[in-house]
Amino acid sequence: DIQMTQSPSSLSASVGDRVTITCRASQRISTYLNWYQQKPGKAPKVLIFAASSLQTGVPIRFTGSRSGADFTLTISSLQPEDFATYYCQQTYSTPLTFGGGTKVEMK
Amino acid sequence: QVQLVQSGAEMKKPGSSVKVSCKASGGTFSSYTFSWVRQAPGQGLEWMGGIIPIFGTSKYAQNFQARVKITTDESTRTVYMELSGLRSEDTAIYYCASSTYCGADCYLNWFDPWGQGTLVTVSS
Repeated sequence: DIQMTQSPSSLSASVGDRVTITCRASQRISTYLNWYQQKPGKAPKVLIFAASSLQTGVPIRFTGSRSGADFTLTISSLQPEDFATYYCQQTYSTPLTFGGGTKVEMK
Repeated sequence: QVQLVQSGAEMKKPGSSVKVSCKASGGTFSSYTFSWVRQAPGQGLEWMGGIIPIFGTSKYAQNFQARVKITTDESTRTVYMELSGLRSEDTAIYYCASSTYCGADCYLNWFDPWGQGTLVTVSS
């Protein structure tokens, strides 16, 4: 199984901050990496698919990038509605696996 | 665009089974692949398995292989997940999610949308 190591597991930030979350795959996954946002009591929602493609309707402050086996989700200027938990997911091979999540909290 | 609506919360005894449904509306049912993902309280996301309706083929994560069955009913556009041998550790929210069909045995695409989730509580 492909392990997805996501870091940090939590972070505290303020509105307007630049936030970076990283996911590392244990094996090659090409660009089959997706990012989801989950708010309490809600289902996850896709933000970025195929490592760097922005889902329709998602604000452009969210960007995804890849450097080898490392994938990064960046929020350029954190907004109040961005306080949530973020998960990466690889869909390169089954079983599909998720990172452990990053909870973004208000500082 | 497909929309997914799941069945309601369930309370089950240890050792019993649960069958959760996920009804799809909009879109063409055979144009999608469906997966089930569970989330234990305060924990992360875990893929249980998926099904490709156009082929009727399913695939399961090793952790659930012996206990889970994912099926579809095309006439009602419904996807089902049945989990047997329930134990307290199976207490979780169970989500169905769809992804665009990409071929036989293909699970490459991202999940969008997701159902609203179904809480399954296992307790004696």
